[in-house]
Amino acid sequence: DSGVTQTPKHLITATGQRVTLRCSPRSGDLSVYWYQQSLDQGLQFLIQYYNGEERAKGNILERFSAQQFPDLHSELNLSSLELGDSALYFCASSPNWGGNEQFFGPGTRLTVL
Amino acid sequence: DAKTTQPTSMDCAEGRAANLPCNHSTISGNEYVYWYRQIHSQGPQYIIHGLKNNETNEMASLIITEDRKSSTLILPHATLRDTAVYYCIVTKTQQGAQKLVFGQGTRLTINP
Repeated sequence: DSGVTQTPKHLITATGQRVTLRCSPRSGDLSVYWYQQSLDQGLQFLIQYYNGEERAKGNILERFSAQQFPDLHSELNLSSLELGDSALYFCASSPNWGGNEQFFGPGTRLTVL
Repeated sequence: DAKTTQPTSMDCAEGRAANLPCNHSTISGNEYVYWYRQIHSQGPQYIIHGLKNNETNEMASLIITEDRKSSTLILPHATLRDTAVYYCIVTKTQQGAQKLVFGQGTRLTINP
């Protein structure tokens, strides 16, 4: 158990819909990272927040957005969903801005039908 | 971040040492070598990291060549639970967002 929690575990929805994935980092960790893992693309970095502020962006689509709240939990919002958005979405946390020892949550499996 | 090259798959017998190689010939002086593993669709798990000296922790040992162009992760007594995809990642650790760039990794199968 990494100490990072993600909800929900599974999510099934239809194309065109919008969903929100939630992540609670380890106690005291200020950085939250989001990754997407699909069969054809592997594990890809989406976005990082540090203490409420966006710090880095990766291959995140414009239809996707994220935020980190004052209590440090984070949400990833996916809208206008397409079949290709079906994937595992992982959240990770680390204690500081540049922490490479990242602790990953169990993931949310999103299925878009 | 430097690119890494790993074998696609490897097999190892239970109880033996598993040695996973990684080439990172374009690594720069301030880049570290990190290893993570992912057990069947679970979240990736940090294993170990190093700069130029060999490192050991309770999970594994990391051997980095003197020229730093390659490294080997060693699982000293592999168990069935070590079956996973192992990722070698080269990245800086100081200031700046530290996204992890995952390649395809090595699928390690531990056989009974």
